[in-house]
Amino acid sequence: AQSVAQPEDQVNVAEGNPLTVKCTYSVSGNPYLFWYVQYPNRGLQFLLKYITGDNLVKGSYGFEAEFNKSQTSFHLKKPSALVSDSALYFCAVRDMANAGNMLTFGGGTRLMVKP
Amino acid sequence: KAGVTQTPRYLIKTRGQQVTLSCSPISGHRSVSWYQQTPGQGLQFLFEYFSETQRNKGNFPGRFSGRQFSNSRSEMNVSTLELGDSALYLCASSLAHNNQETQYFGPGTRLLVL
Repeated sequence: AQSVAQPEDQVNVAEGNPLTVKCTYSVSGNPYLFWYVQYPNRGLQFLLKYITGDNLVKGSYGFEAEFNKSQTSFHLKKPSALVSDSALYFCAVRDMANAGNMLTFGGGTRLMVKP
Repeated sequence: KAGVTQTPRYLIKTRGQQVTLSCSPISGHRSVSWYQQTPGQGLQFLFEYFSETQRNKGNFPGRFSGRQFSNSRSEMNVSTLELGDSALYLCASSLAHNNQETQYFGPGTRLLVL
């Protein structure tokens, strides 16, 4: 079975400071990893994904994430946070061994960026 | 390209009723998946359809069903509604039934069961 953990329910950061949203995963095989963001009363917006290759993945809106196989982590980062980044962030995983598009999501982390 | 569209956006039903939600995927996308989002359980996979066939199913009772049409549009149906079915139902589309594909989500249908 595959699972995702987002250990922090909420992350608070000041505008202009770097931010990190943590994600760890568990799969039986190799993972495909995704980050999504959700704004109030909206669906999920895709930010970035790791399939293979370079462990540092760059995505939308200046976000990036680093895949660390030994630590089974895929933390989301941004060098300089904006107030408009305040939203709910979800990490998701697929086991490469499983066919199909089913995503398993973490519980979400609320990011609050204060001016 | 237009994104994933879902109708209706909001719905209020009473216990015991049934409901049908609709999803139109991004043009050219042939795989449609459905997820339920609740404060208590988070985001949970319901099912995936590709080429009008259910390819994957999550751990939900048989009251939850779906189908996909030849134009890739999908519907999901919940019968005999329970209070616990109140949730945001999200539809996601992707190009193919392929585990490397990115899923793009619609805005969701918020269902309230009274």
